[in-house]
Amino acid sequence: RKEVEQDPGPFNVPEGATVAFNCTYSNSASQSFFWYRQDCRKEPKLLMSVYSSGNEDGRFTAQLNRASQYISLLIRDSKLSDSATYLCVVRPNDYKLSFGAGTTVTVRA
Amino acid sequence: DAGVIQSPRHEVTEMGQEVTLRCKPISGHDYLFWYRQTMMRGLELLIYFNNNVPIDDSGMPEDRFSAKMPNASFSTLKIQPSEPRDSAVYFCASRTGTRAGELFFGEGSRLTVL
Repeated sequence: RKEVEQDPGPFNVPEGATVAFNCTYSNSASQSFFWYRQDCRKEPKLLMSVYSSGNEDGRFTAQLNRASQYISLLIRDSKLSDSATYLCVVRPNDYKLSFGAGTTVTVRA
Repeated sequence: DAGVIQSPRHEVTEMGQEVTLRCKPISGHDYLFWYRQTMMRGLELLIYFNNNVPIDDSGMPEDRFSAKMPNASFSTLKIQPSEPRDSAVYFCASRTGTRAGELFFGEGSRLTVL
């Protein structure tokens, strides 16, 4: 079983729509959680950390459900510039980050 | 501020040739990671260093792969001999000791082995 599993998508949404997707993780002892964004043929970049109580960063909302071992990301009022692959990232121990394969989001005009 | 710098950006080589990928981490970062990304397997951690010392190389596919970090500002990943299945994007990333979730990636080295 993979450490982090994501629906690869693609999620095709019109501008202004809301899109949400999840990932699941296998290690219940995982310590922290993140979403990274990767544009086509670019390097991954940290989008936001995910806190137990849930957190927002502008149009982005992240939620963590430790009991069910899943993390979600919601994007409100989608922009064309939100088109990217979103990588779910879990920190199972002090040094390692485990990356999901990514969920591709395409926002159309 | 300079980010993580990798070279070459693109490399096309023939099977059996030696490939050397280079990385300069962000100054002051004491962790350095080498990842490989393919469509089939996503991002895989190959090896990581802390203060120039290799800590975990369990992700290195086989003995054909080796990595070094002779000083705090330089690391290499070497493949010898290269095979077509090594074709991938190789990313180097670095971070500080305190913010374990924030990796700064280089732009990657896209390797094609014919």
